[in-house]
Amino acid sequence: DTGVSQDPRHKITKRGQNVTFRCDPISEHNRLYWYRQTLGQGPEFLTYFQNEAQLEKSRLLSDRFSAERPKGSFSTLEIQRTEQGDSAMYLCASSELFGTGVRVETQYFGPGTRLLVL
Amino acid sequence: AQSVSQHNHHVILSEAASLELGCNYSYGGTVNLFWYVQYPGQHLQLLLKYFSGDPLVKGIKGFEAEFIKSKFSFNLRKPSVQWSDTAEYFCAVKGDSWGKLQFGAGTQVVVTP
Repeated sequence: DTGVSQDPRHKITKRGQNVTFRCDPISEHNRLYWYRQTLGQGPEFLTYFQNEAQLEKSRLLSDRFSAERPKGSFSTLEIQRTEQGDSAMYLCASSELFGTGVRVETQYFGPGTRLLVL
Repeated sequence: AQSVSQHNHHVILSEAASLELGCNYSYGGTVNLFWYVQYPGQHLQLLLKYFSGDPLVKGIKGFEAEFIKSKFSFNLRKPSVQWSDTAEYFCAVKGDSWGKLQFGAGTQVVVTP
């Protein structure tokens, strides 16, 4: 399977602990996105990278959250001092941005990491 | 702020019935529009997309959507649903200069045999 993969698929942690999630994008996709989804809601944007550069961060991404994409391939999302409100599905998506005039881009999603903070 | 509104949170219909899901967005610039589907236990999958050109786009599994620029709408349709269409459907908008997708809250569709 050459789709977006995420690890772990499920994570249960206690409040105050740190957690780290990994995303492996589709090979050669230059953009990588993180979203968060809670029950009854659509995914909400957190941050994204073009190659290794982090281009945008949502205000949802508090200082407890940090994301990296050190070599422009896989990415990690770390949450420090987790809170119960961090419980959600964390989704990763990747895309290949191409075109010079009208630039088109389609994001492909991974299966997500479901986080439960007790 | 930009927003995406999906008109129905839950839809229940019988097999062979027609389906139409509404999606409206608030953004005045050029947009790319998407419908994603999430089947039970599976991840988000792209159903169809609109970038430019013909405002009536066809996607997988017999779905189509029509972009009406004057109404800021991108409604999803299927003439005859099957039980396997039971899923959650998300409309998403991407401004031309954005990176992110802005999603609606989703519509849970249940198709009864």
